[in-house]
Amino acid sequence: DGGITQSPKYLFRKEGQNVTLSCEQNLNHDAMYWYRQDPGQGLRLIYYSQIVNDFQKGDIAEGYSVSREKKESFPLTVTSAQKNPTAFYLCATGRGGGVKTQYFGPGTRLLVL
Amino acid sequence: AQSVTQPDIHITVSEGASLELRCNYSYGATPYLFWYVQSPGQGLQLLLKYFSGDTLVQGIKGFEAEFKRSQSSFNLRKPSVHWSDAAEYFCAVGSNNAGNMLTFGGGTRLMVKP
Repeated sequence: DGGITQSPKYLFRKEGQNVTLSCEQNLNHDAMYWYRQDPGQGLRLIYYSQIVNDFQKGDIAEGYSVSREKKESFPLTVTSAQKNPTAFYLCATGRGGGVKTQYFGPGTRLLVL
Repeated sequence: AQSVTQPDIHITVSEGASLELRCNYSYGATPYLFWYVQSPGQGLQLLLKYFSGDTLVQGIKGFEAEFKRSQSSFNLRKPSVHWSDAAEYFCAVGSNNAGNMLTFGGGTRLMVKP
């Protein structure tokens, strides 16, 4: 089955803990993105990667980190420095070159205990 | 910087009625425009997009949108709404001059009355 998978669907974080959200794709897309969505709000870009071993900060990168070691995978770590991590996190992918249509995964909801 | 405004946070329509969701963008050159739909707790699904050519764009699920450069708008329409259309709708704009990134509007939540 092709597409974008995000895991887990729900994730609980304790104070001072780092947690990692998984995003995997088999669409062979070059670009991958992480967005944060808060209730009643639009999407805000956290990080993006246009190619393997390269990534750029988005609008709200503080308290987050990413890696892009494989084309298929773009994990997001929410660090303890992110003081308000409760949100819905969406991963997206897009083909290379120019403005791309972005395709979204099902999302991970992060809650703080 | 590019920006997107969706003036209506909530809209309620009766099943079978027509629908128009508004989207206004701010960008100098020809933008790349998108409409996405999101059901509760789900990811976003692409409804339609405009890159160039015919300014009236047809999408999935019976939706269409019209690009009007003079009004900087890209409104989404459907002639007859179904109860299953209840969801949140997001307009997005992208440009080659903005790092090829998409900027999303705040969304419009659609409720459908029986």
